Amino acid sequence: DIQMTQSPSSLSASVGDRVTITCRASQSIDTYLDWYQQKPGKAPKVLIFAASSLQTGVPSRFSGSGSGTDFTLTIASLQPEDFATYYCQQSYNLPKTFGQGTKVEVK
Amino acid sequence: QVQLQESGPRLVKPSETLSLTCTVSGGSISSYYWSWIRQSPGKGLEWIGYIYDSGTTKYNPSLKSRVTISVDTSQSHLSLKLSSVTSADTAVYYCAREACYFDSRTCFYYFDYWGQGTLVTVSS
Repeated sequence: DIQMTQSPSSLSASVGDRVTITCRASQSIDTYLDWYQQKPGKAPKVLIFAASSLQTGVPSRFSGSGSGTDFTLTIASLQPEDFATYYCQQSYNLPKTFGQGTKVEVK
Repeated sequence: QVQLQESGPRLVKPSETLSLTCTVSGGSISSYYWSWIRQSPGKGLEWIGYIYDSGTTKYNPSLKSRVTISVDTSQSHLSLKLSSVTSADTAVYYCAREACYFDSRTCFYYFDYWGQGTLVTVSS
């Protein structure tokens, strides 16, 4: 299985901050990498697919980059509704696997 | 607007079979991959497997011997059966649709619609 490792596991930030979350795959996954946001009691919601494509309806302050083994999710200016947990997920190989999550908390 | 709704028993006894249904509304069940995913505190998000409308299935090897996913296209239902459950199978179970983003080379699949999830507890 491809292991997905996110860092940090949690971070504290303020509204307006630029936030960066990284995801590393245990082997090259090209750009078969998606990012999801999950709020408590809710299902994950896709933000970015194919490493850098923004899902329809997702604010442009979210962006993704990377290829191969190293990927980044950036929130350009953190908004109150962005406090949540973020997951990366690879679809290069089966089984599909997720990172362990990064919780973005209020500073 | 596509909507997915999981249903089934919330409490299952150890060694028994967990059975869930996902009802799809607002869109066709055909020509898509449909996955089951679970989330537990101890293991995070775990992909269980998928089915394509033709009935083609793929399962996570970690669960393959215990999992069956099926589809009833006439009823727009997916189902999940997980046998011989233990407390380690306690989790929130989600069904999700996979969308394809096609570029010049290939299809990039991602989960675009999810059910709200249902917590299943394994306990006697």
